[in-house]
Amino acid sequence: KAGVTQTPRYLIKTRGQQVTLSCSPISGHRSVSWYQQTPGQGLQFLFEYFSETQRNKGNFPGRFSGRQFSNSRSEMNVSTLELGDSALYLCASSFGGDQPQHFGDGTRLSIL
Amino acid sequence: TQLLEQSPQFLSIQEGENLTVYCNSSSVFSSLQWYRQEPGEGPVLLVTVVTGGEVKKLKRLTFQFGDARKDSSLHITAAQPGDTGLYLCAGVRGTSYGKLTFGQGTILTVHP
Repeated sequence: KAGVTQTPRYLIKTRGQQVTLSCSPISGHRSVSWYQQTPGQGLQFLFEYFSETQRNKGNFPGRFSGRQFSNSRSEMNVSTLELGDSALYLCASSFGGDQPQHFGDGTRLSIL
Repeated sequence: TQLLEQSPQFLSIQEGENLTVYCNSSSVFSSLQWYRQEPGEGPVLLVTVVTGGEVKKLKRLTFQFGDARKDSSLHITAAQPGDTGLYLCAGVRGTSYGKLTFGQGTILTVHP
């Protein structure tokens, strides 16, 4: 059974650029959540999408946005990149409700 | 201030020793999940606990959810080098199932 797939695995950008990260959930999962992981702050929730609607949002600036498509695949976009955006971005999917989240291996974003 | 306080942050032990990791909060959680993460990979779900006072065992790992659903613990018996990794507790508040609140994590190193 295929797990959560995130692409690309690694990305290098410079300040001011924008980036789009992709997440393909486990087949049948309709909820997709995004997290940022850094050594200093740990894992922090960005947002969750369910059936193409944003259902929850974390405390991140508006430069961070996302969307979900009808096939449940999700993308996350970060505009006007800053050095502090360097992190591992993790995507997790679930069936929704009280079902547990399953994580992908993340996209490592480095800002120069 | 972290909503979920996880301790200790670092644990270095010898093979065969026992250990306990704690996850504490002043808030009530609907459920609490424990994950293990290895370098370069996403967190892997170990267990979900949902009922106050619940105890779950997974081979040498024992998970407990506090009676008031504000705290949890992970106990490993006779640790092995293969147990080395980052252990994370994560909670769900209310019905925000797609939004996990994570503890800071415990880096466990088991020496042969």
